[in-house]
Amino acid sequence: GAGVSQSPSNKVTEKGKDVELRCDPISGHTALYWYRQSLGQGLEFLIYFQGNSAPDKSGLPSDRFSAERTGGSVSTLTIQRTQQEDSAVYLCASSLVLADSYNEQFFGPGTRLTVL
Amino acid sequence: AQRVTQPEKLLSVFKGAPVELKCNYSYSGSPELFWYVQYSRQRLQLLLRHISRESIKGFTADLNKGETSFHLKKPFAQEEDSAMYYCALRDRDDKIIFGKGTRLHILP
Repeated sequence: GAGVSQSPSNKVTEKGKDVELRCDPISGHTALYWYRQSLGQGLEFLIYFQGNSAPDKSGLPSDRFSAERTGGSVSTLTIQRTQQEDSAVYLCASSLVLADSYNEQFFGPGTRLTVL
Repeated sequence: AQRVTQPEKLLSVFKGAPVELKCNYSYSGSPELFWYVQYSRQRLQLLLRHISRESIKGFTADLNKGETSFHLKKPFAQEEDSAMYYCALRDRDDKIIFGKGTRLHILP
């Protein structure tokens, strides 16, 4: 019964480089969410997956951000040509089905991204 | 547009005093609301949901549709309540929208 895991836990990169962040949801959870947690900005919704499909990508900050999920399990969030304003903690969460009043989201520990 | 507002970035309360963390929302229809908590060096976790009408760790939250509020309350603060608290709303597109959070600091 491991919880949601994310890797790497910390990532330092140079401006302009691409980064890939990984999320392993709880086994059997069909819904997966990505959020960004910035100082003073709270939690910003980025994207969610129901199975392998992402019905709504409007939360992604720019076209440099993309995410995919394969096999209904692992998801990767890719940021191309990173900018300093991308520095934040990226959180992943999963739930059994779409999180509603009865289905709790379980969060991972996050990936702290620092863009120099 | 759906929105969750937590007006206080920081709230300091003495141990044993009552706590109220404010949350207001903007939503047309019947909202689904939650409170999440993040203790130091721990993961974000669900504290309570309005549908359950439950009390968790002494905290309660009542949905007030007239005032569009979902304030989190506890009658007597404890030091272990110090944490970051987020109010959240599930919108009709199944996104969970979070407020910016309130840091609760319990003074000894």
